[in-house]
Amino acid sequence: KAGVTQTPRYLIKTRGQQVTLSCSPISGHRSVSWYQQTPGQGLQFLFEYFSETQRNKGNFPGRFSGRQFSNSRSEMNVSTLELGDSALYLCASTHEAGANVLTFGAGSRLTVL
Amino acid sequence: GQNIDQPTEMTATEGAIVQINCTYQTSGFNGLFWYQQHAGEAPTFLSYNVLDGLEEKGRFSSFLSRSKGYSYLLLKELQMKDSASYLCAVRGYNQGGKLIFGQGTELSVKP
Repeated sequence: KAGVTQTPRYLIKTRGQQVTLSCSPISGHRSVSWYQQTPGQGLQFLFEYFSETQRNKGNFPGRFSGRQFSNSRSEMNVSTLELGDSALYLCASTHEAGANVLTFGAGSRLTVL
Repeated sequence: GQNIDQPTEMTATEGAIVQINCTYQTSGFNGLFWYQQHAGEAPTFLSYNVLDGLEEKGRFSSFLSRSKGYSYLLLKELQMKDSASYLCAVRGYNQGGKLIFGQGTELSVKP
C-alpha cells in the first residue's frame, strides 16, 4: 500500500513568488492535513480538508491556501512568498476511523531566497 | 488556549531506559499522540492514548493522565537507531486531522 506522496521534495523560490505543493494521500483516506515545520516553531497546523471541504484551519495568513480534489489529492498554495516561509511542509492523511492516526508524507522543503 | 511542553533535549545510554515527559493544556481533549522523527524524515506514529493508563507496544510504552494533563513515552532497551526527535501532540474535540504539537524532544543515544 503506497504511503502519502508529496511533490516536489525540494524547491527554491524568491521573495514575492508563489508556490504550489501537491499531496496524494493513502488510498482510501479522505482527510488530508497540512503542517509547516520550522526549527523555531516546530510543527504547526495549516489546514485540513475532508471530502473537498476545508474542515479546520490554523492561524496562518490568507497567503496560505489549499484545496482538495474529488480523488482526495490536495494542493496547498503560498502566494507572495516571504523569507519566513522557508520550511518543511508536511502533508498527512487519515482514514477517519478508530484513532484517526495521521500518516505523514516525506514533505516538501521550501527555501525562499 | 492550547500549550504542550516537553524537554528540548535528552541523552541516554544504549541499552538503558528513558522516559520523555509531556504536559499539555487544551480547551478540549480527544487523544494524545507520540511521533518519532529522524532528521530529514517524516514523523512516524508511535502511540495513541485517549484513556488514562499505560499502552505498551514492544520496547515503547506511553502513559496518560487526563486529570493531570500529563503523558510520558518510555523507551526500553535503547538502541542507537532510537536517536531522533520525539513529538508529543494533542487533538481537541471534533478536530479531525488538527493536532497541536509540542516542540519535540531530541534524544541522543550514546554507546
